[in-house]
Amino acid sequence: NAGVTQTPKFQVLKTGQSMTLQCAQDMNHEYMSWYRQDPGMGLRLIHYSVGAGITDQGEVPNGYNVSRSTTEDFPLRLLSAAPSQTSVYFCASSFGTGYGGEKEKLFFGSGTQLSVL
Amino acid sequence: GENVEQHPSTLSVQEGDSAVIKCTYSDSASNYFPWYKQELGKGPQLIIDIRSNVGEKKDQRIAVTLNKTAKHFSLHITETQPEDSAVYFCAATPYSGGGADGLTFGKGTHLIIQP
Repeated sequence: NAGVTQTPKFQVLKTGQSMTLQCAQDMNHEYMSWYRQDPGMGLRLIHYSVGAGITDQGEVPNGYNVSRSTTEDFPLRLLSAAPSQTSVYFCASSFGTGYGGEKEKLFFGSGTQLSVL
Repeated sequence: GENVEQHPSTLSVQEGDSAVIKCTYSDSASNYFPWYKQELGKGPQLIIDIRSNVGEKKDQRIAVTLNKTAKHFSLHITETQPEDSAVYFCAATPYSGGGADGLTFGKGTHLIIQP
């Protein structure tokens, strides 16, 4: 059982470059989300999706795009990377709200460490 | 929106002693309070959670207490062991499962277990 898989684990970009961070889950979760983690800031929500074809913004969405064409995948796109986007990015998923109990628990991937020079 | 404060930022305890990490939240609508443990180089792992209709929950050496009136909740680890060394995050949300606003996290507590 792979859970939440993120690729790549590490990435270095130059300012202005674009890239896509991949996230896949094999638990048939409806809810998927992206967080960024910065020193002393905890984790902050970037974008989330409650199902295929549905996405919305979180607390810090500027500079990032997302799409959800399948239940399993939720890629995060940086169109023009900036040094302020240097961070560790985590994808997380759950069955969603309203199911109760174990199905509402949010599970995280192992992260992508991104440096923008 | 929700705001979660977490204290202390660093906590050092002797192996075998107890550790307590405290969090406060601002949104009275929050009703789900998970705790995550993050080891170096890994993603956060859910270790225990509590809902607003429960005042305390235990799982072996860890327990969480919730005071809805005062809007604070705490993580208690007893008989600490070296493998408890990690960063711990509290979180709060009105929508368990992620929902519209996701989880609002505290800034984390670095727990150090001294041998």
